[in-house]
Amino acid sequence: QVQLVQSGAEVKEPGAAVKVSCKVSGYTLTELSIHWVRQAPEIGLEWMGGNDPEDGKTTYAGKFKGRVTMTEDTSTDTAYMELSSLRSDDTAIYYCAADGRYIHGWYGPAFDPWGQGTLVTVTS
Amino acid sequence: DIQMTQSPSSLSASVGDRVTITCRASQTINTYLNWFQQRPGKAPHLLIHGASTLQVGVPSRFSGSGSGTDFTLTISSLQPEDFATYFCQQSYTLYSFGQGTKLEIK
Repeated sequence: QVQLVQSGAEVKEPGAAVKVSCKVSGYTLTELSIHWVRQAPEIGLEWMGGNDPEDGKTTYAGKFKGRVTMTEDTSTDTAYMELSSLRSDDTAIYYCAADGRYIHGWYGPAFDPWGQGTLVTVTS
Repeated sequence: DIQMTQSPSSLSASVGDRVTITCRASQTINTYLNWFQQRPGKAPHLLIHGASTLQVGVPSRFSGSGSGTDFTLTISSLQPEDFATYFCQQSYTLYSFGQGTKLEIK
C-alpha cells in the first residue's frame, strides 16, 4: 500500500522560502509521478506542478514558475517542494499526491493517494 | 488554461436523498475528469476517475457520467458520512480543479 507522509507545519516570514517534504513508502519514488497541490480557504485547490517518471521532466504551473522547485531524493524515497519569496497569500495547506496511473495502471491521470497535508503560514 | 465550474457551490440534503453535482469544463476534456471527496481537516480522497470509473473501495451509491465538457457526480442515497465537500478535476491538459460543492445536512 502506497503511503505519502509529509513534514510538519511551518511558519515563515514574508520573503523567506519554505521546503516541504513528502516521504513515500510502499513503492519506489522513481516509479511514481508526484504532484503538489495547495489549498487556501478563498482559492480552493491549485495544482502547482509535478514530475513525469517516464522522461524525468518536471512541469510547473505557470502561476508558480520561477518561485517553485520540486526535487527528489531517491536514496530516501522523499520528494520535496520548495517555494521561495513567500507572501501572505501563500498561506495554505500544501499536499503531495501520487498519479495513480503508475500504481493502479489506469489510462488517465488521477491523484491517489495524497499526503496528509502541511500547513504553511506566512506572517510577519 | 482549462477552467472548471461546479454547481451548485453548496447543497442541503437529507439522509436517503439522491443528489447530483455538475462540473463543466471551459473546453473539451474527453473523459479526463476525476471526482474527489474532502472531509474537514482531511486530504481529498479520490472517488471516481476517467469520468465514470469508481475507485476501489468507494461505495456503489456514487456514480459519475459525462464526456466532452459536461459531467455529473450522483450519490443515489445519501448516507451520514457523505456530507463533505466534493471537487472535480480535469487531467486532460495539466490539471485544474472546480471550486467545490459543500454538501450539508438539511
